[in-house]
Amino acid sequence: DAGVIQSPRHEVTEMGQEVTLRCKPISGHDYLFWYRQTMMRGLELLIYFNNNVPIDDSGMPEDRFSAKMPNASFSTLKIQPSEPRDSAVYFCASSSTSGGANEQFFGPGTRLTVL
Amino acid sequence: QKEVEQDPGPLSVPEGAIVSLNCTYSNSAFQYFMWYRQYSRKGPELLMYTYSSGNKEDGRFTAQVDKSSKYISLFIRDSQPSDSATYLCAMTKGGADGLTFGKGTHLIIQP
Repeated sequence: DAGVIQSPRHEVTEMGQEVTLRCKPISGHDYLFWYRQTMMRGLELLIYFNNNVPIDDSGMPEDRFSAKMPNASFSTLKIQPSEPRDSAVYFCASSSTSGGANEQFFGPGTRLTVL
Repeated sequence: QKEVEQDPGPLSVPEGAIVSLNCTYSNSAFQYFMWYRQYSRKGPELLMYTYSSGNKEDGRFTAQVDKSSKYISLFIRDSQPSDSATYLCAMTKGGADGLTFGKGTHLIIQP
């Protein structure tokens, strides 16, 4: 299996621009998570889905952030408009309840820089 | 106070030493405890997974959970330079909830 795939790996954009991060979970996994990692705050949960349905979005910082999962093999995290404080590494992770709850497998991350 | 506290280090030890990493937490509802290893510019990878209190061993790694003290530990025996990484503790209440992470401890094993 290729593991969790994220794109792009690096994104540099200017303040005010729209940013879209993409994730392909491991095939057969029914849970998908989005996390953000910064030096100041560490790794924080933003939102997670079960069977393509958002379950908990309480970690999404504000309305500028939105996430979708149109099918079992694809999810997006969108920031519009982006701000310099959004600069961070964004990770996608997936897990399977049949394989053991909470054994989450992480992708390589997208390093976002907002100038 | 953050829900999960972890000393960021860095922690530097000579090769072959026993390493002890730990986390404290405040939410008594946490039931599942994990340790992840993260190399520079990579995603975290799961090392150990423990449910409730007790010990779990996997090769050179031992995880301990003391729910009465809200304290978890990871021990690494015969440490190797390849163990140099950031170690993150993580925990959750149950089911398949999202994880609450510590900020990670940066470990350096000196050859």
